[in-house]
Amino acid sequence: AQSVTQLGSHVSVSEGALVLLRCNYSSSVPPYLFWYVQYPNQGLQLLLKYTSAATLVKGINGFEAEFKKSETSFHLTKPTAHMSDAAEYFCAVTDAPSGAGSYQLTFGKGTKLSVIP
Amino acid sequence: KAGVTQTPRYLIKTRGQQVTLSCSPISGHRSVSWYQQTPGQGLQFLFEYFSETQRNKGNFPGRFSGRQFSNSRSEMNVSTLELGDSALYLCASGGTDSYEQYFGPGTRLTVT
Repeated sequence: AQSVTQLGSHVSVSEGALVLLRCNYSSSVPPYLFWYVQYPNQGLQLLLKYTSAATLVKGINGFEAEFKKSETSFHLTKPTAHMSDAAEYFCAVTDAPSGAGSYQLTFGKGTKLSVIP
Repeated sequence: KAGVTQTPRYLIKTRGQQVTLSCSPISGHRSVSWYQQTPGQGLQFLFEYFSETQRNKGNFPGRFSGRQFSNSRSEMNVSTLELGDSALYLCASGGTDSYEQYFGPGTRLTVT
C-alpha cells in the first residue's frame, strides 16, 4: 500500500521568506502526486499535480513542486511567503487505477504553515 | 462551473442515531469519492462511486455506506453513530481523468 510522509507537522516562516514543505512517498512505480491546501473550516483545494509529464510542476498561487524519483520526493516550494499562505498543506499520492478504474488518494498527515509578519 | 457542493455543512447527532450526507459533484463529473478527516487519523478514503456503482472501498465498517444517483449526486450514510464518527466528511468529484479530484467544503459531523 502507498504511504506518504510529510516531514514537519508545523512549519513557520517569515513573510517574504522561502517556503519549503517536504513530502516523500513510497512507491516503486512513479505515481500521480498532488499537493492540496486547506484553509480553516474549508475543504481541500488542489494546488498542483504531477502526472509524469514534467518533473517540475507549477501550480496556483506561485507554488511549485519537483518530482525526484531517485529520492521518492515531491517537495513543495514558494519563493516568497505571504500572510495569505498560512494554511494546512497535504501531499497525496495515487497509484495506477484499480481494475475497476478507481483512483484512491492516500494523504500525508499534513503540514500547518504559519507565516510570521 | 460550479464547484462541489455538500449539504448540510454542519450536523450534530446523538450516539446511536443515523445520518445522511449529500454531495453534488461538478457538472459532467461522474466519479464521487468520500473521505473522512479527523485530527487523529488524518484523511482516510471511504469509498468511490462511478456511474451509480461503487468501484472502490476503504477500510471502514459496514455502518458506513453510500450510493450514487443517475445525476451523479451521491449520498453517504452512517448508521448507529459512535462518538468516534465525529469528523469532517469530504466529498471529491472526478472527471474523465478521475485521479484529479476536486473537493467540496465538507460536512462537519459532531456526535454527542
